[in-house]
Amino acid sequence: EAQVTQNPRYLITVTGKKLTVTCSQNMNHEYMSWYRQDPGLGLRQIYYSMNVEVTDKGDVPEGYKVSRKEKRNFPLILESPSPNQTSLYFCASSPWDRYSGANVLTFGAGSRLTVL
Amino acid sequence: GESVGLHLPTLSVQEGDNSIINCAYSNSASDYFIWYKQESGKGPQFIIDIRSNMDKRQGQRVTVLLNKTVKHLSLQIAATQPGDSAVYFCAEMENQFYFGTGTSLTVIP
Repeated sequence: EAQVTQNPRYLITVTGKKLTVTCSQNMNHEYMSWYRQDPGLGLRQIYYSMNVEVTDKGDVPEGYKVSRKEKRNFPLILESPSPNQTSLYFCASSPWDRYSGANVLTFGAGSRLTVL
Repeated sequence: GESVGLHLPTLSVQEGDNSIINCAYSNSASDYFIWYKQESGKGPQFIIDIRSNMDKRQGQRVTVLLNKTVKHLSLQIAATQPGDSAVYFCAEMENQFYFGTGTSLTVIP
């Protein structure tokens, strides 16, 4: 089944304890991205990647890191989490090429993170 | 940054009626638009998309209309069913995707 898989789905952690949320897609998509979803603010992009070893900041990158060493994986790293990073996080992927441009984003099921 | 807004945060319709959900976008250079549906506890699911060289696209029970003159996007759902109850987002794409805040659709049986 074509899908985007995120882990963990739920996590409660404490301020300053490094954590990684993994994201993997099995559709050979070039484009991958991370979003956070907060009440009243909609989905806001954290980081995105057009292809392996190519990453760019979205609208709210502060406090986050990403890497794209392989096409299928795009982990989100919180080096020193703070309570304002408590949120619902989504990973998404889509095909992309320079000729057709953007295409439908397929989302993971979400990861709910609470930082105490 | 971009501004993608939905006109109404909530919408209630009777089962069987048609629903119209509206969205305004700010970037005239955006060339790709998507509507997503998000049910409670789930990730957004693709409904329908449209590129800027079109002004209308139809799917199964859904139609998306794009008015580039006023930078307005709408989603029409025909014969709304209880299973259509969810939050609906529009998204615009130029170099990255920008999402609206969502309209919560409630279908009254």
